[in-house]
Parts: sequence; structure tokens; C-alpha cells
Amino acid sequence: GAGVSQSPSNKVTEKGKDVELRCDPISGHTALYWYRQSLGQGLEFLIYFQGNSAPDKSGLPSDRFSAERTGGSVSTLTIQRTQQEDSAVYLCASSLASTGGEGTEAFFGQGTRLTVV
Amino acid sequence: GNSVTQMEGPVTLSEEAFLTINCTYTATGYPSLFWYVQYPGEGLQLLLKATKADDKGSNKGFEATYRKETTSFHLEKGSVQVSDSAVYFCALKRGQAGTALIFGKGTTLSVSS
Repeated sequence: GAGVSQSPSNKVTEKGKDVELRCDPISGHTALYWYRQSLGQGLEFLIYFQGNSAPDKSGLPSDRFSAERTGGSVSTLTIQRTQQEDSAVYLCASSLASTGGEGTEAFFGQGTRLTVV
Repeated sequence: GNSVTQMEGPVTLSEEAFLTINCTYTATGYPSLFWYVQYPGEGLQLLLKATKADDKGSNKGFEATYRKETTSFHLEKGSVQVSDSAVYFCALKRGQAGTALIFGKGTTLSVSS
């Protein structure tokens, strides 16, 4: 597609329920990132994919969070047993290359605003 | 580890004032450096970048120079406009496969007329 697409754009869920957030990167982009943006907290790195593997998942805050990427394209971020502190905007980004240099510009989706009530 | 430190905001300026937002980084090797901007109600977008020491990135009147000796990438603009009001994020990426793009906490800029 023309840009990074994320769905849903908004999600309200009850505490304790599981949620799945989807990211459709730009076609041909091998690197994919998930970030979380909380009010006043900046951009928190969650996980990074290169192809289908995740060389860096150091930012996942707990074992309730997991992510996968299939076919080197679509990625899903799953949050199990959601808590109120999980409320945030979840951003996905993709880039053409994983190494430094001209190809590393990351393009961001519009994000999914998750509210846990 | 790799990290980015930005000056805390908010930064409040009058139109046509000079802007500096400080950014320093910690990283091994020679990372690429970026400034991203998030306008109100919009997604993050790349503002400018520099991929090696002494490079100057520029866009929309903004500039930042990659200073390896001071590990800095300060963002500057000579004359800000109301439309520049946004949150600005400094970021780095090491030039090595398997490394993520790391962001600073962001600096909110508010420009009044």
C-alpha cells in the first residue's frame, strides 16, 4: 500500500480482555517496529522485526505482550489480560533496510488508540 | 546501551523567534541520526536526517548537524512559525543489522503569533 496501515484506529476494551492490533507495512519494507506512546511519556520502543524474526524484543513490558510477523509483511501485536496502564497509542513503523544509511527512514502509521476501561 | 536525550519541554516561543532543541546521544559506532515531527492530530513523520559525522540535515527551514565530537544533533530554525507547533523527536539507529530505531522522549514546541 501507499503507507503504513494500522487497524483498528481506536479500540476500547474491558480490563482483563485480550486485544490484537494489526500493522500492514509498506510493501517491500523488511524492517518493522512497534512503539507505544503514552501521554507525556514519549515514544517507548516495544519490538523490532527484520523479516519474520524479532532480533530485538527488549521493549515488551511484560509477558502479556507478544507480537508476530508473517510472510515478512503483516504484524500483529497481542496484549493479553489487558490492564488500565496498557492504555496508550500503539504505533507501527516500517523501513526499507535494517542497517544505517539512506534506507533507514522509518514511516509511521497513524496508530491504534487503545483504551482499557 | 544506545540512548537519546532531548531537552525537556515545553518550549514556548513567539513567531519569528530562533529555535534550538538540544539532542545528545549515546551509541557505539556510527549511528544515523534523525529528527521526527508529530503535528497535532497527525502521525509521526521524518523531518530530517544525517547519516555520518559532520553531515547537515535540513528541511522546511530546520537544520541539524551531526557532531560526533560532542555526540549531538541539535535542531535549529532561524524563524519559527505558528505552524511549526508540534512535538519533535530525536532518534538514532546504529548502522548494524538487527538494531532498532531509538527515540528520545520528545519536545513540545508551542509558537504563538
